[in-house]
Amino acid sequence: DVKVTQSSRYLVKRTGEKVFLECVQDMDHENMFWYRQDPGLGLRLIYFSYDVKMKEKGDIPEGYSVSREKKERFSLILESASTNQTSMYLCASSNREMNTEAFFGQGTRLTVV
Amino acid sequence: GQQLNQSPQSMFIQEGEDVSMNCTSSSIFNTWLWYKQDPGEGPVLLIALYKAGELTSNGRLTAQFGITRKDSFLNISASIPSDVGIYFCAGRSGGSYIPTFGRGTSLIVHP
Repeated sequence: DVKVTQSSRYLVKRTGEKVFLECVQDMDHENMFWYRQDPGLGLRLIYFSYDVKMKEKGDIPEGYSVSREKKERFSLILESASTNQTSMYLCASSNREMNTEAFFGQGTRLTVV
Repeated sequence: GQQLNQSPQSMFIQEGEDVSMNCTSSSIFNTWLWYKQDPGEGPVLLIALYKAGELTSNGRLTAQFGITRKDSFLNISASIPSDVGIYFCAGRSGGSYIPTFGRGTSLIVHP
């Protein structure tokens, strides 16, 4: 069974902390994504990676960075967490074949206080 | 980045009713996707559409890829309580790996 696993379901962090959200996939997928989900706004792309060490900015990259040192792992980093980064974060992966679609992890609900 | 126009934003229906929702875009997509998100979980792919005019079913769910390539529809027949969740449409342009998502339709089914 295919799997995208996010390291935490719930996180509470303080303003100014450096926060790491980890995502691992076991499907040997080339593409990995980080989305942010907020009520009424749907899923917005933060960063995308199409290969190891490769990354592209999505629609809302400000305040975030990413790391892809290994194919199976894609990390989202909040350098200095702020309250407006309180949200649900979703990781996804997909194959480079055009007719294979994104599989999502279970999500990490981050609260910044 | 572009967002798709998904409607309705929310639906409150009785068990057994049929449901329709749709997604429109100002741009052409080569792929339309429909995902469902259960409360507290990540989205799960329901149906993928790859050809204009394509009509695809998955159990009680039926989705269509609009002829203009700028819209898609999802119908759920004879709704049941476990249909509760948020339904997202997503589109992909030619040559892109990145799906663009709509804002979601929240479905509540009353027993």
